[in-house]
Amino acid sequence: TQLLEQSPQFLSIQEGENLTVYCNSSSVFSSLQWYRQEPGEGPVLLVTVVTGGEVKKLKRLTFQFGDARKDSSLHITAAQPGDTGLYLCAGAVSGGSYIPTFGRGTSLIVHP
Amino acid sequence: DAMVIQNPRYQVTQFGKPVTLSCSQTLNHNVMYWYQQKSSQAPKLLFHYYDKDFNNEADTPDNFQSRRPNTSFCFLDIRSPGLGDAAMYLCATSQDSSYNEQFFGPGTRLTVL
Repeated sequence: TQLLEQSPQFLSIQEGENLTVYCNSSSVFSSLQWYRQEPGEGPVLLVTVVTGGEVKKLKRLTFQFGDARKDSSLHITAAQPGDTGLYLCAGAVSGGSYIPTFGRGTSLIVHP
Repeated sequence: DAMVIQNPRYQVTQFGKPVTLSCSQTLNHNVMYWYQQKSSQAPKLLFHYYDKDFNNEADTPDNFQSRRPNTSFCFLDIRSPGLGDAAMYLCATSQDSSYNEQFFGPGTRLTVL
C-alpha cells in the first residue's frame, strides 16, 4: 500500500492547457514537498507546504495543502513544453520518521 | 553555489565488476541519502546516513554498501552488479530541521553490460 497516492500517473497535453496533479493520503503530514525532475537529471525542489490550507504560487504553478494536511495538489496554468517532466510529491508523516515518502510520480508531457 | 555533486554522471560496468559512485555536498547537511530510480518511477531509498549513523532499508540487497568518511562525502558501492542494477542513482541531502526538504544531485546513470 502506497502511503502517498499520486494521480494521474501519466499526462499528455497540448501547450496552453491547464492540469492538476493530486497527492492523497490517509496520514497527516508535517510537511509536503513537490519536486520536478527533467529527463536525465535529479529532482529539483519546487515548494514545501507546511500549514493546513496553505496555498503557494510559483509563476504558473499553484500548490495547495489540504486543511487536514493529508493531501496536496499542484495546478499548472497554460502549460508549456518546458513544464515537461516527472512531478513528485513527498512528505514525512507527522510524528513519524524524518525520512520522506515519495508518491509514484506524475509523468507530464506538454506538446507544442 | 552550495550544491550536491555526483561523479561520474555516466558509469558503464560489466556484470559482476564492482563499481563505486560518489557524492559530495557543500550544504553541510547532516543527512545524506542514496536512491535508486528506474525509468519514470519514483526514487527508491536504498539507505541513508544521519551524521555517521548508517540506516539501511530492509529491502536493500546486500550487494549495495555505503561509506561516509566525512560530512561532505558519501559513496555507494555495488559489489557485484547485475543487469537489474542498471538504473539512475541519486544522492540527496537534507538538514533535519528543514521540513524534510531534500536536495538532489544530478544523478549517475549506471549501465551494466
